[in-house]
Amino acid sequence: DAKTTQPNSMESNEEEPVHLPCNHSTISGTDYIHWYRQLPSQGPEYVIHGLTSNVNNRMASLAIAEDRKSSTLILHRATLRDAAVYYCILRDRSQGNLIFGKGTKLSVKP
Amino acid sequence: ETGVTQTPRHLVMGMTNKKSLKCEQHLGHNAMYWYKQSAKKPLELMFVYSLEERVENNSVPSRFSPECPNSSHLFLHLHTLQPEDSALYLCASSQDPFPEQFFGPGTRLTVL
Repeated sequence: DAKTTQPNSMESNEEEPVHLPCNHSTISGTDYIHWYRQLPSQGPEYVIHGLTSNVNNRMASLAIAEDRKSSTLILHRATLRDAAVYYCILRDRSQGNLIFGKGTKLSVKP
Repeated sequence: ETGVTQTPRHLVMGMTNKKSLKCEQHLGHNAMYWYKQSAKKPLELMFVYSLEERVENNSVPSRFSPECPNSSHLFLHLHTLQPEDSALYLCASSQDPFPEQFFGPGTRLTVL
């Protein structure tokens, strides 16, 4: 499985945008980029996924580099409830398994 | 109940006990998963069931025994566990071919 690299931790201020980076230089043409997050004392939660084009949903936006070797999860206005560990995961379109890394622990300051 | 539920939420057991973890999904999905999350380690996929058949077993010791009696229920039977098996056990479900997995809140297991 292709590997992703994320910073161990990031800090943000409440109501400011947050850009969470992910490097995946060995991504293959059939890998989708998935983001999940895990709030304290909860199971992971799906956030967003994409292949080549940027994606938006009610939770976040996903910006994918043109060469697909990196991507950025964008939270437009961070709230205290967005404090969580964010996981960037590559998943081949032909199989359903998610391989989790260590993720980025996001802290949000009031 | 909605989503994915897991019971019990917390479990303490001795190494000679036998216990079972239960997962139920109310989403009409056709695939279910067991994951293990140890302290300071990434989530590890343990088992995958698709259409009630086990399709993946990631070299999990035989002291963990999964069971999927129908598409809505998944069990993890535990026996003669070790203290290093203490972890958060998470269940998830999905609907093939859609990629999103929906996770339950987990069972926090402590083996004494």
